[in-house]
Amino acid sequence: ELKVEQNPLFLSMQEGKNYTIYCNYSTTSDRLYWYRQDPGKSLESLFVLLSNGAVKQEGRLMASLDTKARLSTLHITAAVHDLSATYFCAVGLGGSNYKLTFGKGTLLTVNP
Amino acid sequence: DGGITQSPKYLFRKEGQNVTLSCEQNLNHDAMYWYRQDPGQGLRLIYYSQIVNDFQKGDIAEGYSVSREKKESFPLTVTSAQKNPTAFYLCASSQRTEAFFGQGTRLTVV
Repeated sequence: ELKVEQNPLFLSMQEGKNYTIYCNYSTTSDRLYWYRQDPGKSLESLFVLLSNGAVKQEGRLMASLDTKARLSTLHITAAVHDLSATYFCAVGLGGSNYKLTFGKGTLLTVNP
Repeated sequence: DGGITQSPKYLFRKEGQNVTLSCEQNLNHDAMYWYRQDPGQGLRLIYYSQIVNDFQKGDIAEGYSVSREKKESFPLTVTSAQKNPTAFYLCASSQRTEAFFGQGTRLTVV
């Protein structure tokens, strides 16, 4: 059974600081997703990572994937208040199995 | 515009009633999913479907039923057997390189 662990679950940081959210998963996978969720809203797709060593960046967010370590990171650079949200990673089993398993999410609060 | 449409946005259910949540996608995705989210919690998988006329139970399928008669549609019925149905329900669809969510249905038992 695929297990996905995110940490930290809660992250309070000051504007301008850098931080990293970690996503570990337990079995081989060929795709990993990062999502953002604002309070009361649905999930917005941020990144899809499909291969070992993949790195994607959008604004102040950068995601990477190490399939050998079964680890993905979401790095936040020079945080701003608008980045406050809950961030989820999701992992697919791969091949013809489309099932997605989510981490518990990281609630990020960026303080002025 | 391609996307996933969930309806209704808000739904109120009386005790003992069955209700059906709609999910339609025009992305031509093979896979579709239903997740439940409780306040302050993560997403739990209820059912998922990889092809038409086939679906699998997720982690919390009891009290729910689904059908997949068409590729673009994956309705979820919350039955009276689901004792605590108040939650935010999210539908998603995916192909290998993308997975998108609908806007969600907030179900409340009154």
